[in-house]
Amino acid sequence: QQQVKQSPQSLIVQKGGISIINCAYENTAFDYFPWYQQFPGKGPALLIAIRPDVSEKKEGRFTISFNKSAKQFSLHIMDSQPGDSATYFCAATPVGNQFYFGTGTSLTVIP
Amino acid sequence: ETGVTQSPTHLIKTRGQQVTLRCSSQSGHNTVSWYQQALGQGPQFIFQYYREEENGRGNFPPRFSGLQFPNYSSELNVNALELDDSALYLCASSLGMGYQETQYFGPGTRLLVL
Repeated sequence: QQQVKQSPQSLIVQKGGISIINCAYENTAFDYFPWYQQFPGKGPALLIAIRPDVSEKKEGRFTISFNKSAKQFSLHIMDSQPGDSATYFCAATPVGNQFYFGTGTSLTVIP
Repeated sequence: ETGVTQSPTHLIKTRGQQVTLRCSSQSGHNTVSWYQQALGQGPQFIFQYYREEENGRGNFPPRFSGLQFPNYSSELNVNALELDDSALYLCASSLGMGYQETQYFGPGTRLLVL
């Protein structure tokens, strides 16, 4: 059973556009929601993370929006660049327990 | 400061064999987690080691086992390999045993079981 559902599976965006990736979860015990970026041949790298006590967190061009009542969170990449082309994973973890990852979104930013 | 390193980078084994994968954690990190990433999927948690003790395990059978050494490097051992064990195996190190500590991933070991 997939604890964290991620969509879309793939995404193509024009340079300068906004990329939006969505995740949903059911387990209300989850209280930490990181996003990871993975380039081919590399391990995932932490991009940005949020806790459910805030509805939005912004770091540079990357923003997480969090909707606790809907049990959904999303990653927005503003002014998308070709260098952002990578696979993005959302994840969730409850206190003192393991990470559960989404299935990933392959983002391609077209110049 | 060196990052997380893993060896070997690629490995081919046949069904029924045993394999050992190695991970050197980032300097100063005392916690290592192992993940299996099947093609096109997200990483699946195998287990975590904190100061040489197992500190949590995912839904993997006992033929997946591990070790952490006093220098905090780690090994993942898989016995009786099955075709479905073909995957990228990722190691991540962190400072502290809490799962919400930032995890730094290595580049992974690509295992192919024939």
